[in-house]
Amino acid sequence: DIQMTQSPSSLSASVGDRVTITCRASQTISTYLNWYQQKPGKAPQLLIYATSSLQSGVPSRFSGSGSGTDFTLTISSLQPEDFATFYCQQSYSTPLTFGGGTKVEIK
Amino acid sequence: EVQLVESGGGLVQPGGSLRLSCAASGFTFDTYWMSWVRQAPGKGLEWVANIKQDGSEKYYVDSVKGRFTFSRDNAKNSLYLQMNSLRAEDTAVYYCARAPSGFDYFDYWGQGTLVTVSS
Repeated sequence: DIQMTQSPSSLSASVGDRVTITCRASQTISTYLNWYQQKPGKAPQLLIYATSSLQSGVPSRFSGSGSGTDFTLTISSLQPEDFATFYCQQSYSTPLTFGGGTKVEIK
Repeated sequence: EVQLVESGGGLVQPGGSLRLSCAASGFTFDTYWMSWVRQAPGKGLEWVANIKQDGSEKYYVDSVKGRFTFSRDNAKNSLYLQMNSLRAEDTAVYYCARAPSGFDYFDYWGQGTLVTVSS
């Protein structure tokens, strides 16, 4: 199985900050990497698929990059509604696996 | 508007069974792969199973193979997850999700239903 490791596991940031979350795969996954946002008590929501494609309706302050084993999710200017937990997920091979999550909290 | 609504969760004893349902609306159900993804309390996400548009192919994570059965009724726009021989480690919120490309990303999720396995 492909292991997905996110860092950091949590971070504190202020509104307006640029935030970067990293996801590393245990083996190459090309660009088969997706990102989700989950708010407390809610279902995850797709943000980005295929490394860098923005899901419809997702604000352009979210962006993704990477290939192979190393990927990043960047929020260019953190907004109050962005405080949540973010998960990466590989879709290169089954079983589909997720990272452990990065919780973004208010500083 | 795409909607996925899960039901059927609850408290069950170890070794027991439960059947989850997911009602889909707002899209052409029989043209999509569908999935179940679960989340243990306070933990991360775990893919559980996928089913092809016509139900002819099903795939499971190893930890549930032989115990869980994923099915669908396209006439009723519904999914089902029959869970047998339940274990404490199956305790989680179970989400049904749409998988537009099969084994890829999940673009819509239900609100989830909680399954608690405990004596």
